[in-house]
Amino acid sequence: AQTVTQSQPEMSVQEAETVTLSCTYDTSENNYYLFWYKQPPSRQMILVIRQEAYKQQNATENRFSVNFQKAAKSFSLKISDSQLGDTAMYFCAFMPHQGGSEKLVFGKGTKLTVNP
Amino acid sequence: DSGVTQTPKHLITATGQRVTLRCSPRSGDLSVYWYQQSLDQGLQFLIQYYNGEERAKGNILERFSAQQFPDLHSELNLSSLELGDSALYFCASSVTGLAGGHEQFFGPGTRLTVL
Repeated sequence: AQTVTQSQPEMSVQEAETVTLSCTYDTSENNYYLFWYKQPPSRQMILVIRQEAYKQQNATENRFSVNFQKAAKSFSLKISDSQLGDTAMYFCAFMPHQGGSEKLVFGKGTKLTVNP
Repeated sequence: DSGVTQTPKHLITATGQRVTLRCSPRSGDLSVYWYQQSLDQGLQFLIQYYNGEERAKGNILERFSAQQFPDLHSELNLSSLELGDSALYFCASSVTGLAGGHEQFFGPGTRLTVL
């Protein structure tokens, strides 16, 4: 069974600075997908970024980028120029490559606070 | 707004009761997923339906059941409720295909409190 580990339960960063959230996962599969979801205080789950395991290039979305290390089974999220609106729980998630069955396996989350 | 709707937003009930949570997926999405978010278990996948058929099952209790109707809306039925069933229940939808890896769009959730 796949597992996802987020070793940092809580983190804080000053506005405009950069922060990196860690995620490791365990799988025997070669093809899969990785995601970071954000859950602000409103509780809405919002996709931040997506990575396909067969792509070596790290995904980026504006201020958000990942460092994907397949051999190490590591998938960290870097947030640049942190904004107050980035305050949220961040969940790393794994999706096995099984066409038609796309369940997400989530980590326990990291609570990020951006301070003014 | 993700385009996924869930009703009700909040539900308070007593132990031993039965409740039904409802989800309408985004227009065009054939897959519906149910997740449970609780303090002790985190976010857990319960079940997936694709175009009316069960496609994948996670750690869903036997007291829980789900279905997807011809109009693609889905219902999650929780029976013989226990205190530990108190949680936030999310529905998500996606375009599902053989390629895999599609983004799941989450609804706002139903907060269930069992007293």
